[in-house]
Amino acid sequence: EVQLVESGGGLVQPGGSLRLSCAASGFAFSTYDMNWVRQAPGKGLEWLSAIHRSSDFTHHADSVKGRFTVSRDNARDSLYLQMNSLRDEDTAVYYCARGRDTNGWYDLWGQGTLVTVSS
Amino acid sequence: DIQMTQSPSTLSASVGDRVTITCRASQSISSWLAWYQQKPGKAPKVLIYKASSLERGVPSRFSGSGSGTEFTLTISSLQPEDFASYYCQQYNTYPRKFGQGTKVEIK
Repeated sequence: EVQLVESGGGLVQPGGSLRLSCAASGFAFSTYDMNWVRQAPGKGLEWLSAIHRSSDFTHHADSVKGRFTVSRDNARDSLYLQMNSLRDEDTAVYYCARGRDTNGWYDLWGQGTLVTVSS
Repeated sequence: DIQMTQSPSTLSASVGDRVTITCRASQSISSWLAWYQQKPGKAPKVLIYKASSLERGVPSRFSGSGSGTEFTLTISSLQPEDFASYYCQQYNTYPRKFGQGTKVEIK
């Protein structure tokens, strides 16, 4: 089955760190650019990060630049998001998403993992 | 950065209605625009890419149009399963941006 499955979410204190993972299956992971998108409770979608299929480049939103780092391991068919210096406003459901056609639109999404930043 | 503005934020409609949602970009994005549908508690699902191309498996009642800075998503005859939130997204440049969303509610 073609799918993405996120893991690693949970409760973390402000200033803390968390590493999210996204496991891909059913498709040639190494041939797709990948992305992280989040959604705060009751809010809209926010694009966070993108990574090239061969890790040749990464991009991050200003809201997380310097705090979050996207990476991938094509041998393990996995995408990661290292989140440091977490803030209350980082509380959200985090989705990984597959980019189509040189990372244009997102045609495959995971089910999401909830990150709650609170003391 | 390119900003994306959707209107309306909320739309009340009845089954069978024709519904149109507008998305405006702060600068030209050619046709590099996608539309997504999201139901509560679920991940988004792509409906339209490249402004007007229908994603495989998406019902033909959904259509997209526009280029440059103004785009529309049209549902020709609203069905019960279409009550959801809809988002546009530009993929012309980084950072990628989504519109703030349009919630389609039952009238």
